[in-house]
Formats: sequence, structure tokens, C-alpha cells
Amino acid sequence: QKEVEQDPGPLSVPEGAIVSLNCTYSNSAFQYFMWYRQYSRKGPELLMYTYSSGNKEDGRFTAQVDKSSKYISLFIRDSQPSDSATYLCAMTLTGYSTLTFGKGTMLLVSP
Amino acid sequence: ETGVTQSPTHLIKTRGQQVTLRCSSQSGHNTVSWYQQALGQGPQFIFQYYREEENGRGNFPPRFSGLQFPNYSSELNVNALELDDSALYLCASSRGQGNTEAFFGQGTRLTVV
Repeated sequence: QKEVEQDPGPLSVPEGAIVSLNCTYSNSAFQYFMWYRQYSRKGPELLMYTYSSGNKEDGRFTAQVDKSSKYISLFIRDSQPSDSATYLCAMTLTGYSTLTFGKGTMLLVSP
Repeated sequence: ETGVTQSPTHLIKTRGQQVTLRCSSQSGHNTVSWYQQALGQGPQFIFQYYREEENGRGNFPPRFSGLQFPNYSSELNVNALELDDSALYLCASSRGQGNTEAFFGQGTRLTVV
């Protein structure tokens, strides 16, 4: 079993839809959870990070962590074609340990 | 724009050759991490440098080596290239030793033939 599981997609939605992207993980010691967006042929771009359980909102993006279920989510409201990219979840044991990534989910938002 | 720059952007090498990839960290960042991203996979941690010292290493063989310079820029060297080394190599920089806000460069696409 991989440490971090993420459905590779692609996930296709119409413009304006609410998108839910998810990751599950096996190591209950993970404390920090990140979401990165990666456009084709580009490096990952940090969207947001969350410490432990709870929600965090930034504009159209909401990150949610449920440590009891070892499940994290990223919600995108009012999705736009420019949101079409691969979304990578990452997590770390402490703020100073290395990042463990999921495989990424490809999102396609059609106009 | 994250300020992390990598060179070159693309590279083609022959099996058995050696390659050096370069990374300039974002201003104010003294930690550099290197990741390998194979097609369709998430980035895999290679190693990290903090203040010119290796500060952690992933499950990669010794033919993957690195350096960090006094200006916090970094190099990744790979000897005896294998076909499976073909991947996108990513450099990330961060402040202190923290990884919660690591910023990535655009990557170097290495193809080994």
C-alpha cells in the first residue's frame, strides 16, 4: 500500500462546478498537509497548507483534513477553465521533514 | 513567479553519461530540496540541503549526489545514467528547514536514450 493514494483521474467538470479532490494516507503521524497545482510542463505551485485536522479557506479554494479517517480534500468553487491542471496532495510528518506526494489528479474544466 | 529557477529546461543524454542540473533558490531561502517526478507520478524526494550540508536523503542510489553553494544555489549530479532516470527533476526552496511552504522551480526534463 502506498503511503498516499490519489485517484489520477481525469476528472472532467463544466465551468462553474464545485470540484472535490481527495487523498487518503496510511501514516497517522502525518501532521502537515499541502495542495499543489501543476500545469503541464511546469513545476508544482503551492496552493495552501493545513496543520492537523480542520478546514482552511483561501478564495475559491477550501482544504479539509480529517485525521481520524486519514482523508484530505480540496474543494474548488466556481471552477474555471484556467483551473485545468494536475492537483497534487503532499504531506509531512513535521514542518521540517520531507514531503510525501500523491500521484496527482488531473482536472479538466470545460467552458 | 516563485523565483526558483532551474537550468537547463530540457536535456537529452545517453545511457552511462553523467549530468549536472542547476537550481537557484528564491531570495531569502536557504534550504533546497530535489525531487524526481516520473511521468504520471508524484514527485519523489531525492535529498535536501540546508546551509550547504545534506540534511536528508530519500531512497536514491549514491550515483545521485548534490551540492549547495554559499549563495544557496544547488546542483544535482547523476552519474552512470540509466534509462529509468528519464524524468522531470524539480528543485524546491524554502526558508529555514521547513517544508510547509516549499516553492518549486519549473523543472528540468531529462531524457536518457
